[in-house]
Amino acid sequence: NAGVTQTPKFQVLKTGQSMTLQCAQDMNHEYMSWYRQDPGMGLRLIHYSVGAGITDQGEVPNGYNVSRSTTEDFPLRLLSAAPSQTSVYFCASSRRAGYGYTFGSGTRLTVV
Amino acid sequence: AQTVTQSQPEMSVQEAETVTLSCTYDTSENNYYLFWYKQPPSRQMILVIRQEAYKQQNATENRFSVNFQKAAKSFSLKISDSQLGDTAMYFCAFMKGTSGSRLTFGEGTQLTVNP
Repeated sequence: NAGVTQTPKFQVLKTGQSMTLQCAQDMNHEYMSWYRQDPGMGLRLIHYSVGAGITDQGEVPNGYNVSRSTTEDFPLRLLSAAPSQTSVYFCASSRRAGYGYTFGSGTRLTVV
Repeated sequence: AQTVTQSQPEMSVQEAETVTLSCTYDTSENNYYLFWYKQPPSRQMILVIRQEAYKQQNATENRFSVNFQKAAKSFSLKISDSQLGDTAMYFCAFMKGTSGSRLTFGEGTQLTVNP
């Protein structure tokens, strides 16, 4: 089992560019989430999904879009990158409510 | 909204000793889950331990155990026989039982185990 796979691991964007962070899991988990990690702030929830076709906003959704067309994939789209979006991004999945999440290895994104 | 507070930004311990990391949370919910995650320098987030709020018994996983005080809204992590590989950032996290899908994290505690 690969678990949760995130690509790319590192990315540098110019302000205004768009890109998609990929996330895939092979554990048949229903729940998937995106978090961003900034120094001194822990991890904050961007968007989450409780199943294919169902997504909802988290704590810091502005500037990001998601979709969930399959159980396995949950891509995160940055519409127009801003320096404030410089962060480490984690994708995570869980088999059902109340269970711990399994995290991917993260994507370090720098917006210049 | 739920909040999670870790009041110790940094801690250190000698190898083989015991250390306790503190976490408090604020919620009006009665049904919820609490977690401790470990993030070593590799950046990978690793689930250490999970506690269900309706269970009185404190969770344990090998050298890791928790002291869950529901009335005080406190959830501390005890690491026994500390090892160099325990050096990491530790995050406390809260999840509502009804949603079961959203984790709220504390700011983290950087633990250093010294030889």
